[in-house]
Amino acid sequence: DTEVTQTPKHLVMGMTNKKSLKCEQHMGHRAMYWYKQKAKKPPELMFVYSYEKLSINESVPSRFSPECPNSSLLNLHLHALQPEDSALYLCASSQDQAQTGGSPLHFGNGTRLTVT
Amino acid sequence: GQNIDQPTEMTATEGAIVQINCTYQTSGFNGLFWYQQHAGEAPTFLSYNVLDGLEEKGRFSSFLSRSKGYSYLLLKELQMKDSASYLCAGESYNTDKLIFGTGTRLQVFP
Repeated sequence: DTEVTQTPKHLVMGMTNKKSLKCEQHMGHRAMYWYKQKAKKPPELMFVYSYEKLSINESVPSRFSPECPNSSLLNLHLHALQPEDSALYLCASSQDQAQTGGSPLHFGNGTRLTVT
Repeated sequence: GQNIDQPTEMTATEGAIVQINCTYQTSGFNGLFWYQQHAGEAPTFLSYNVLDGLEEKGRFSSFLSRSKGYSYLLLKELQMKDSASYLCAGESYNTDKLIFGTGTRLQVFP
């Protein structure tokens, strides 16, 4: 069982819809991430939050809007998406963001998003 | 850029040994992770190497040579359930990010 939970597991939305993806972890991790993964490709980093503050935005289009209400929760708000945004969206957490200490990412099972 | 390269696909037979290689530019990386990802599931952490040498964990071992920019994941006594993608990922000093390789899809046949 994964210790990072994501909801919903599947989401189908039209290009004019507004929806949100949710992620929760209770491991006391201080860094949380959103990744996008297309079929047969590695995960692509979208956003990183460290201590509830946005620390990395990988030039993601504004139709994706992240939010970190508290240290355990991470949301991704979606609006006016395009069909090419269809992908698996993975949330992850780690003890801290610093990528020089061997702090592994713990991934949720993802939300399979289809934009019609 | 900071590239991490892996073979795209590999096949092996149940019970055999397979080595999945990963090469990267030596500048700017600290340690190296290996993750396993079954189709439709989340990646799961397998190993982390920051010092040169071999780290063994049961049927899986991971090796790192920092001077050569080279790592491998060794899977012994292959089982059908080992069919998955294996992702090599480097810790980047410069960007404070984890850089993923392209991933290697391993298929184990009976």
